Amino acid sequence: EDQVTQSPEALRLQEGESSSLNCSYTVSGLRGLFWYRQDPGKGPEFLFTLYSAGEEKEKERLKATLTKKESFLHITAPKPEDSATYLCAVRVNQAGTALIFGKGTTLSVSS
Amino acid sequence: DTAVSQTPKYLVTQMGNDKSIKCEQNLGHDTMYWYKQDSKKFLKIMFSYNNKELIINETVPNRFSPKSPDKAHLNLHINSLELGDSAVYFCASSPGTVYGYTFGSGTRLTVV
Repeated sequence: EDQVTQSPEALRLQEGESSSLNCSYTVSGLRGLFWYRQDPGKGPEFLFTLYSAGEEKEKERLKATLTKKESFLHITAPKPEDSATYLCAVRVNQAGTALIFGKGTTLSVSS
Repeated sequence: DTAVSQTPKYLVTQMGNDKSIKCEQNLGHDTMYWYKQDSKKFLKIMFSYNNKELIINETVPNRFSPKSPDKAHLNLHINSLELGDSAVYFCASSPGTVYGYTFGSGTRLTVV
């Protein structure tokens, strides 16, 4: 069964304290890995798509990387406004399927 | 000029009632989805339509019935609501089945 696991479930950081979120996946055939950010009371907001091992994408303080078994979302020098739930999702190589989401990592950054 | 809009944003109703949630997208996307997010924030696919045709129908009680009158709209009708139906329901759209999604802001359904 295709599965996506995110860790940690929750992460508390001080402003400026860099860290990484993990998304590991077990799927039959990966056609893309997606990172989303979700703020309380809002829908998930698209951040990145990664398609192949070794690929990296960056946006401001966020950098996403992909290996054959997992993806990391690195947060460099986070600010309080980076506090949110970060969701990882995969698209598998099977017709008639939708994105499969992990349960998310809730990040809290304090000043 | 909201890309994916859902109505209502909040819905409080009694057990046994029937309710509908509406979704519209102005992005010109071909594919639309309904996801359910439980209290632990886990997003699970319910249905997907591509150009008004149902392409994904996960194991969902048949009390839930999606309807897509055109490719810009996807509605969700729920019959005989139960306490366990309480959740946040998200509509999303994508340009095709291989791309990432744009989500609406969600409908928080509370069944009392």
